Amino acid sequence: QSVLTQPPSASATPGQRVTISCSGSSSNVGINAVNWYQQLPGTAPKVLIYSHNHRPSGVPDRFSGSKSGTSASLAISGLQSEDEADYYCAAWDDSLNGWVFGGGTRLTVL
Amino acid sequence: EVQLVQSGAEVKKSGESLRISCKGSGYRFSDYWIEWVRQMPGKGLEWMGTIFPGDSQTIYSPSFQGQVTFSADKSVSTVYLQWSSLKASDTAMYYCARLVCSSPTCPREAHWFDPWGQGTLVTVSS
Repeated sequence: QSVLTQPPSASATPGQRVTISCSGSSSNVGINAVNWYQQLPGTAPKVLIYSHNHRPSGVPDRFSGSKSGTSASLAISGLQSEDEADYYCAAWDDSLNGWVFGGGTRLTVL
Repeated sequence: EVQLVQSGAEVKKSGESLRISCKGSGYRFSDYWIEWVRQMPGKGLEWMGTIFPGDSQTIYSPSFQGQVTFSADKSVSTVYLQWSSLKASDTAMYYCARLVCSSPTCPREAHWFDPWGQGTLVTVSS
């Protein structure tokens, strides 16, 4: 059971907008930065969003992050077939004194 | 280019020992924490712990404390993940990742993992 809760799957058609949620608690998402990682099939994860809503260079602005209270969200607009991947949220947990991840959301582009 | 390159896939038997490696390049290796992350087959990411190559300081997740050992050799820009007695349940992909932040004074909770190594697949048969 992951400390952060994500829906196991999401799907949408090309061009649509999809949102992936990440629910935590007052010891992690509620007080610390949330990062999002994208894991394309058969590859290592890579950072997609850091500190709630910042994109590393090279990540398209179709990807955006937000946070409210103990929940965070990743939004992908103008969905493309190459966005089909697993997405993970992560945050530092002050109570566990370690990094915690969500269980991952598998995004299918129909 | 900042890069982490991990050692190749391993196939071992239960009870055997193993050490896998993660070599950094393109940056000052001693100055950044390196995180270890496990991904069991078909499952999500789990944080195992971290090591600071500059002084080999380590922090283990309670779930992995006593099960694995991290070490570093900064002279060759490499960190290691070691098991003394493997179990079938250790079968997984293992990733290393550099811990980074936008400023040198960031608290740990403001960091993120970038880049990640390509992963080392460890298969343990009983």
